[in-house]
Amino acid sequence: KQEVTQIPAALSVPEGENLVLNCSFTDSAIYNLQWFRQDPGKGLTSLLLIQSSQREQTSGRLNASLDKSSGRSTLYIAASQPGDSATYLCAVRPGGGADGLTFGKGTHLIIQP
Amino acid sequence: GAVVSQHPSRVICKSGTSVKIECRSLDFQATTMFWYRQFPKQSLMLMATSNEGSKATYEQGVEKDKFLINHASLTLSTLTVTSAHPEDSSFYICSAGKGQETQYFGPGTRLLVL
Repeated sequence: KQEVTQIPAALSVPEGENLVLNCSFTDSAIYNLQWFRQDPGKGLTSLLLIQSSQREQTSGRLNASLDKSSGRSTLYIAASQPGDSATYLCAVRPGGGADGLTFGKGTHLIIQP
Repeated sequence: GAVVSQHPSRVICKSGTSVKIECRSLDFQATTMFWYRQFPKQSLMLMATSNEGSKATYEQGVEKDKFLINHASLTLSTLTVTSAHPEDSSFYICSAGKGQETQYFGPGTRLLVL
């Protein structure tokens, strides 16, 4: 059974810092990996999706990498801002590509002004 | 990206009643819809997979007689929580997709059972 782990569970840093969130998964037979943002009491905002054949994706200040063979992904946030404060979720889609996602428990991020 | 809506966004009900949550794909036809549940401070857990015109597939530990799923059309799936109890209070989120294409998530429905 696929398990997704996110480290750290919580992180608080001053504004302007660059930071890295980590995600690991136990079964490397994934179709893709996706990073989401969730604000308190809200739904999910998709940030980046990396297909299994890709190594990284970038969007603005965000960069996500994927090392499928080792079961790891990182989300890099550059020049953090208070508006980046949220919970960041990592999720993998099984190899067939048609099944639901397995989510990690998330990293609760606070950016101090 | 595609738009998925959920209704209602928030519902409060008495213990023992049934609650229906709708998930609609507004601008595309979704062959598959997924239902997830998120308890406070926990992550999303897949409850069931719903394919249009066929019975839903439930994850281990999810009672199919308690969480009734209907996917009667390519744009609508419903989740009915039957005889709801306080422990069913949770955030329910659906996602919709077509085969291996990206899944799009709805905004979620917060259920509180008193």
